[in-house]
Amino acid sequence: AQSVTQPDIHITVSEGASLELRCNYSYGATPYLFWYVQSPGQGLQLLLKYFSGDTLVQGIKGFEAEFKRSQSSFNLRKPSVHWSDAAEYFCAVGARSGAGSYQLTFGKGTKLSVIP
Amino acid sequence: DTEVTQTPKHLVMGMTNKKSLKCEQHMGHRAMYWYKQKAKKPPELMFVYSYEKLSINESVPSRFSPECPNSSLLNLHLHALQPEDSALYLCASSQGQADTQYFGPGTRLTVL
Repeated sequence: AQSVTQPDIHITVSEGASLELRCNYSYGATPYLFWYVQSPGQGLQLLLKYFSGDTLVQGIKGFEAEFKRSQSSFNLRKPSVHWSDAAEYFCAVGARSGAGSYQLTFGKGTKLSVIP
Repeated sequence: DTEVTQTPKHLVMGMTNKKSLKCEQHMGHRAMYWYKQKAKKPPELMFVYSYEKLSINESVPSRFSPECPNSSLLNLHLHALQPEDSALYLCASSQGQADTQYFGPGTRLTVL
């Protein structure tokens, strides 16, 4: 079965600083990969996704992520963080489960705090 | 447009009440989902409907009863809930089951 690890529970950065959120996955083949963002009490907003092709994908709000097959990673980056980026970030893997059904598996999330 | 709407935004109910959560999408998506999210946790899949048929039920207690009246609507009927069922309930939809899921804003449920 697939799994997703987000090693950092909480990250604090200063506004204007660069950001990298880590995500590692476990799956036998190349999965579909997603980053979602969630503000408190809100739903999940899709930031970006990787299905195939170019391993560097661009998303909304100035975010990008790079798929590295050799490291089983899909890290999220942003060159300059804004105070409004403070939120919870979830990495997710879409893949066939052992029972054959396709499901999204989420990491535990990384909470981003931004210091003005 | 990638909008999924959910009503109500907030719901408070007693353990003997019956209530329903509603979800709607007009993107022509054929797969719809219910997730439960507890505080500081990732979403947990409850049900999946594909082409208006229930395709996945993640061993959810029978006090939660999903319904898909048509391809645009998804309901979650609630009856005899427990306080531990208090959570954010998220609806999502996708073109097909192996496609990108788009989430609604959620319903914050409190069971007293």
